[in-house]
Amino acid sequence: QSVLTQPPSVSGAPGQRVTISCTGSSSNIGAGYDVHWYQQLPGTAPKLLIYGNSNRPSGVPDRFSGSKSGTSASLAITGLQAEDEADYYCQSYDSSLSGSDVFGTGTKVTVL
Amino acid sequence: QVQLQESGPGLVKPSQTLSLTCTVSGGSISSGSYYWSWIRQPAGKGLEWIGRIYTSGSTNYNPSLKSRVTISVDTSKNQFSLKLSSVTAADTAVYYCARDLLGLASDWFDPWGQGTLVTVSS
Repeated sequence: QSVLTQPPSVSGAPGQRVTISCTGSSSNIGAGYDVHWYQQLPGTAPKLLIYGNSNRPSGVPDRFSGSKSGTSASLAITGLQAEDEADYYCQSYDSSLSGSDVFGTGTKVTVL
Repeated sequence: QVQLQESGPGLVKPSQTLSLTCTVSGGSISSGSYYWSWIRQPAGKGLEWIGRIYTSGSTNYNPSLKSRVTISVDTSKNQFSLKLSSVTAADTAVYYCARDLLGLASDWFDPWGQGTLVTVSS
């Protein structure tokens, strides 16, 4: 079971704004570790979408934005497009036990 | 640009050892301050980080898998490898290799290989 919790699904109409939450605890996000986000299109490998809480790699549209506050982080998609229909995962580091990189439970974004 | 490609048997018998190799192209595995990681994903489920290696040979493993995992690197072949022992059906998954970038406050993975499906079955 993951220590980072995401909603199983979110949906929106084309052009709308959707947000995905990533809820952690004092041993991961709340401890100051950065959060990163990945997009996984059907049948493909995950692709880095946001790193260091809010930074976009080259080539990622500015419709995607990330933020972090306290023990949670969020990914926002504005101007939702059909091509954004995918699974999204957050990722951080957890210092409990012996420490490990951890992923969120994943969120399926559906474009209505 | 750097690309990664996983290779290895797609079928492993229970109790045996799963062995996979990741070949890095488009750049030297030894260049830059990068680690190299393995990540897996059971069908229809989420992602699980397995472990990472630096080109010096230094490794970190997921505590839940540590007793069964060995990751090694061959810089002459620009490859790194995963061995997972005593496998069971629960180890059936798509296995990804990825470059691991060192951040100030946690690492991130970019790029990823396309993934390879490993099924554990007799």
